[in-house]
Amino acid sequence: AQSVTQLDSQVPVFEEAPVELRCNYSSSVSVYLFWYVQYPNQGLQLLLKYLSGSTLVKGINGFEAEFNKSQTSFHLRKPSVHISDTAEYFCAVSGPGGGADGLTFGKGTHLIIQP
Amino acid sequence: EAQVTQNPRYLITVTGKKLTVTCSQNMNHEYMSWYRQDPGLGLRQIYYSMNVEVTDKGDVPEGYKVSRKEKRNFPLILESPSPNQTSLYFCASSSRDPREAFFGQGTRLTVV
Repeated sequence: AQSVTQLDSQVPVFEEAPVELRCNYSSSVSVYLFWYVQYPNQGLQLLLKYLSGSTLVKGINGFEAEFNKSQTSFHLRKPSVHISDTAEYFCAVSGPGGGADGLTFGKGTHLIIQP
Repeated sequence: EAQVTQNPRYLITVTGKKLTVTCSQNMNHEYMSWYRQDPGLGLRQIYYSMNVEVTDKGDVPEGYKVSRKEKRNFPLILESPSPNQTSLYFCASSSRDPREAFFGQGTRLTVV
């Protein structure tokens, strides 16, 4: 079984400040990790993913995340946020079963950008 | 354009009246899933399918049915909807490699 914990339900940040959204996972097997973003009244869009290789993963819109196997973490970062980054962010883990076991999501972190 | 299409986007229905939410993908993906999203609970998987005629339960399957007669379609069926099924529903599809899920725009269902 696998699980995902997003440690903050809401993160308020001032515009142009850096931000980190925290994600920890647990799994008994190797995993694949994802961050999705959901803008108001929209579906989920993939920000970035870690499948293998370099532990620092760069995604769209200036976001990046670092896979830390020893700490079972996959925190999302952005050096300077904009008003348009206001959204719900979901961390997700997938097992190695070729997608058969699907994605397990965290409960989400609402990123609130303050002017 | 690669996409997952859900219909309808919004639906209000009454308790006990059978309904179907359709999902179609044009990427020839093997895997398809249904999730429900509720405030404070994130997304929870209802059912998934690994290929045609192959489906299995997710974390919250009670009260739902699915079928996968064609590779592109994966409808979600509520035989007798109840108010606790009021939620935002997402369909997703993915290939085996690369492992990336594409999501539909969502269906907001209200059962009164």
